[in-house]
Amino acid sequence: AQSVSQHNHHVILSEAASLELGCNYSYGGTVNLFWYVQYPGQHLQLLLKYFSGDPLVKGIKGFEAEFIKSKFSFNLRKPSVQWSDTAEYFCAVTFGSSNTGKLIFGQGTTLQVKP
Amino acid sequence: GAVVSQHPSRVICKSGTSVKIECRSLDFQATTMFWYRQFPKQSLMLMATSNEGSKATYEQGVEKDKFLINHASLTLSTLTVTSAHPEDSSFYICSAPRGGLNTEAFFGQGTRLTVV
Repeated sequence: AQSVSQHNHHVILSEAASLELGCNYSYGGTVNLFWYVQYPGQHLQLLLKYFSGDPLVKGIKGFEAEFIKSKFSFNLRKPSVQWSDTAEYFCAVTFGSSNTGKLIFGQGTTLQVKP
Repeated sequence: GAVVSQHPSRVICKSGTSVKIECRSLDFQATTMFWYRQFPKQSLMLMATSNEGSKATYEQGVEKDKFLINHASLTLSTLTVTSAHPEDSSFYICSAPRGGLNTEAFFGQGTRLTVV
């Protein structure tokens, strides 16, 4: 079955530390990959997305992610986190070549950044 | 940018009553919309795909008679939680995709449903 898995459920970092959140999916075909962030009490916001081309994608707020097809992974990174990055992060995937916007989400990772 | 509006943002209802949640795409047409449910501290679980002009497609394990979906126009989908029970209390979120080949989903602000 098609699924998305995030390895880190709760991450605690100090400001200026580097961040990497893991995301893996199970599917051998075409995928579109997304990372969303949910700040407390707010909408889901798109951080970045990958459809095709350069597997290293840059998003908003200094985030980037790398698609490694051989590892079925799309890990999110940020070199130096800030207290304001405290939020819930979701990896999401659409499966198949016809991208309908039907997203399957990972379990989510709670990031807590200590000032 | 594209905006999706969801209403109400919060609702409290009594057990046995029904609640309707609206999802509107404000500046684009959406023939398809999606409904998700999010439990506290958990991820978003896809409940169903709302299709304009036809029946919704429900994910496995989702009761279609309990969660009625109507996609009445190209900009409006509604989710009605019928005969609500406390276990239906949750956060419900809709999304509407836009963009053709490089479709991106835009999310509503969510509805916090509490059944007492």
